[in-house]
Amino acid sequence: QSVLTQPPSVSAAPGQKVTISCSGSSSNIGNNYVSWYQQLPGTAPKLLIYDNYKRPSGIPDRFSGSKSGTSATLGITGLQTGDEADYYCGTWDSSLSVGGVFGGGTKLTVL
Amino acid sequence: QVQLQESGPGLVKPSQTLSLTCTVSGGSISSGDYYWTWIRQPPGKGLEWLGYIFHSGSTYYSPSLKSRITMSLDTSKNQVSLKLNSVTAADTAVYYCARAEYYFDNSVPRLNWFDPWGQGTLVTVSS
Repeated sequence: QSVLTQPPSVSAAPGQKVTISCSGSSSNIGNNYVSWYQQLPGTAPKLLIYDNYKRPSGIPDRFSGSKSGTSATLGITGLQTGDEADYYCGTWDSSLSVGGVFGGGTKLTVL
Repeated sequence: QVQLQESGPGLVKPSQTLSLTCTVSGGSISSGDYYWTWIRQPPGKGLEWLGYIFHSGSTYYSPSLKSRITMSLDTSKNQVSLKLNSVTAADTAVYYCARAEYYFDNSVPRLNWFDPWGQGTLVTVSS
């Protein structure tokens, strides 16, 4: 059972838009920065979004992040088959003795 | 460009100690600009954060592993190490090391984002 809650799967057609939600609490998302990671099949996770909405160099602006209260959202527009991957949200949990936490991951299928 | 590479035995017997090394190139683990962290992923499952270590040697471990885990630094080799003792089949996973950005809140460090990650190494616990 992950501390952060993500939908197990989402799907959309090429060219369409999809959003992936990440729900937490005041001890994690509510008071800390959220980051998002893309894990292509058989590879290590890659930083996609940091500080809730910022994109590292090289990440296309088709990827966006937002945060409101105790939830965060990853948006992907202009879906491509190469976007098929698992997506994870992550943050810090400030509760006593917790630490880094991730969502359970969301499998994106581009139909 | 900083790169991380994990190494260590791919097979560990139950009750023994899992030992992994993360070699960092393109940057110094002694700089103090980042924390160094370990994350694991059981086959077919999600990510689990294990703990961090700072250039000073200070550490913080996940409460679920605190009694079994140790992280250390070898600054002469620019390496970060992970030891997990008394392993069981539940510890079978791909183990990743990653560099972690951090910030302070009320003088307490909080990890922010993880980048880059090593390619990961699969450790299987089996007799």
